[in-house]
Amino acid sequence: QSVLTQPPSASGTPGQRVTISCSGSSSNIGDNTVNWYQQLPGTAPKLLIYSNNQRPSGVPDRFSGSKSGTSASLAISGLQSEDEADYYCAAWDDSLNAFYVFGTGTKVTVL
Amino acid sequence: EVQLVESGGGLVKPGGSLRLSCAVSGFTFNNAWMSWVRQAPGKGLEWVGRIKSETDGGTRDYAAPVKGRFTISRDDSKNTLYLQMNSLKTEDTAVYYCTTVRHYYDSSGYYVFYMDVWGKGTTVTVSS
Repeated sequence: QSVLTQPPSASGTPGQRVTISCSGSSSNIGDNTVNWYQQLPGTAPKLLIYSNNQRPSGVPDRFSGSKSGTSASLAISGLQSEDEADYYCAAWDDSLNAFYVFGTGTKVTVL
Repeated sequence: EVQLVESGGGLVKPGGSLRLSCAVSGFTFNNAWMSWVRQAPGKGLEWVGRIKSETDGGTRDYAAPVKGRFTISRDDSKNTLYLQMNSLKTEDTAVYYCTTVRHYYDSSGYYVFYMDVWGKGTTVTVSS
């Protein structure tokens, strides 16, 4: 059961900027850093952003992350067709027996 | 190059058991924290559990839905991670991914914890 809430879908045309929100609570996003994962169709998830706004080597700089209070956002600027995928936020949760929690996921469609 | 290769998935009846393996290469396994994440058909990602390195105590933690039924272990001599799944339920049907884990406290004191490298996954189907 996901404790981080994301919109189920988002879309944009090539070149546009798309933003995905992730809402949590003080025990997860409020107290810990946020990560984002990208899952292309039929493939395993891949780390996209860690520690709120850090990009692993090889991730294009059109992907950016931010966090404020108990919410976080992922922005994709200059949307490309290959960005069509599912995106998940995630964070450590300090609640009893919660540990690591994922968001509900957002399907990004490139129109 | 870091590689994680899961195996051991298959079809099992409710109440049955299965052991998944994850063979790793390309990094120093015995220093690594590792985790399992699963994804039910058409659903989102769900953290299953994590095992620390032996030097960090080898502590294991599990998500509530699997606690008491699943056991994560590691064989550092074989560079292999395991997931023993007992008392399987239909809701355990999923693709199971093995991942490396990165963890540290940043300069502001926030805990940074994330899954770094993922395997391709192995499919477990629990059905009668």
